[in-house]
Amino acid sequence: DTAVSQTPKYLVTQMGNDKSIKCEQNLGHDTMYWYKQDSKKFLKIMFSYNNKELIINETVPNRFSPKSPDKAHLNLHINSLELGDSAVYFCASSQGGLYSPLHFGNGTRLTVT
Amino acid sequence: TQLLEQSPQFLSIQEGENLTVYCNSSSVFSSLQWYRQEPGEGPVLLVTVVTGGEVKKLKRLTFQFGDARKDSSLHITAAQPGDTGLYLCAGAGGVYNDMRFGAGTRLTVKP
Repeated sequence: DTAVSQTPKYLVTQMGNDKSIKCEQNLGHDTMYWYKQDSKKFLKIMFSYNNKELIINETVPNRFSPKSPDKAHLNLHINSLELGDSAVYFCASSQGGLYSPLHFGNGTRLTVT
Repeated sequence: TQLLEQSPQFLSIQEGENLTVYCNSSSVFSSLQWYRQEPGEGPVLLVTVVTGGEVKKLKRLTFQFGDARKDSSLHITAAQPGDTGLYLCAGAGGVYNDMRFGAGTRLTVKP
């Protein structure tokens, strides 16, 4: 029973393509996130959704578009992929609130060639 | 701008040694969390500290939150190979109290 699951685990694609990553959580959490972890392991927040509404949108190129069909799902669509988009993308969820822990998926390793 | 600075960046020690890793910032945080990440997996929460000066113990791990709530430390006693991993600190701040992460300390414990 995976709490936060994301697919695919690995994604290899060419520059210019469009791809999507899917995320689902079965924890009943209200808030979901996308984080990007670069090659130096720095984990940076990209987006946050609370009950299907976007509440955080960091300085991310508009080629990245999150979509939340319901509060258990948060997908990430990326248009016109670039070499610099190569990274590991993590989905996470939390109950929200000041002290709530983040529950992460196992990541999607995106490689753009 | 990276709000949380972690040190050291890399640490390689022998089994049985003690170690301390640090998480420092010029910002005040409502709470601070420590996570451990293993290869191919997402970070997993170890502890949350919320009160300045707070000390929490988790078996051989001791976490401390600075009095001013700007820094934290993680001390591991008698490290074991199973402690190997990437240790990340994260602070809750900003308008939405979202978690912002440090760059991590990569710990290797050799048998």
